Amino acid sequence: DTAVSQTPKYLVTQMGNDKSIKCEQNLGHDTMYWYKQDSKKFLKIMFSYNNKELIINETVPNRFSPKSPDKAHLNLHINSLELGDSAVYFCASSQGPGRTGELFFGEGSRLTVL
Amino acid sequence: TQLLEQSPQFLSIQEGENLTVYCNSSSVFSSLQWYRQEPGEGPVLLVTVVTGGEVKKLKRLTFQFGDARKDSSLHITAAQPGDTGLYLCAGAGSNYQLIWGAGTKLIIKP
Repeated sequence: DTAVSQTPKYLVTQMGNDKSIKCEQNLGHDTMYWYKQDSKKFLKIMFSYNNKELIINETVPNRFSPKSPDKAHLNLHINSLELGDSAVYFCASSQGPGRTGELFFGEGSRLTVL
Repeated sequence: TQLLEQSPQFLSIQEGENLTVYCNSSSVFSSLQWYRQEPGEGPVLLVTVVTGGEVKKLKRLTFQFGDARKDSSLHITAAQPGDTGLYLCAGAGSNYQLIWGAGTKLIIKP
């Protein structure tokens, strides 16, 4: 069983469209994250939820909206896609938001905006 | 703002050679994690170091946390092609956030 699974793995779309990426974890973790990895491979946190509550909300355009229906799921919706949104988006989970929280990542969703 | 500088950014060596990757900061971290990421996959945790001066070994990989908990190193002995990947360090900072290094892309040539 995949611990952290996200779909779709690949997403190619036109500028201006709206798209969603879904994530599910079966590890029983309380905390989930969305990260963006750019072409230079730098990982940047976007959002974090702990037990469905938003605890980290970095400087991200309002076009990005996370939703956590329960603590095992964290989805990411992106409105009005722009060229600069092209990147790999990783979902991750950890036992808690504590300082030694070790992350388990999904395989990533590669978004290409044309 | 806490920063974590990782070096080198890129390293290409022959199989059998040794190498060291460094992560340095002016900030103190409560712990530091090392991850390896292979193409098309997410990062996978290799180790977490918590105590200043701590040394952990994972087969041919040796991880060290600086005495002051501001820096860490990853040393690989007799590198193998299977070690190829992107190595990322991440320090646990304030507000429960992880501070990430920019990564070291490692290529081991057979």
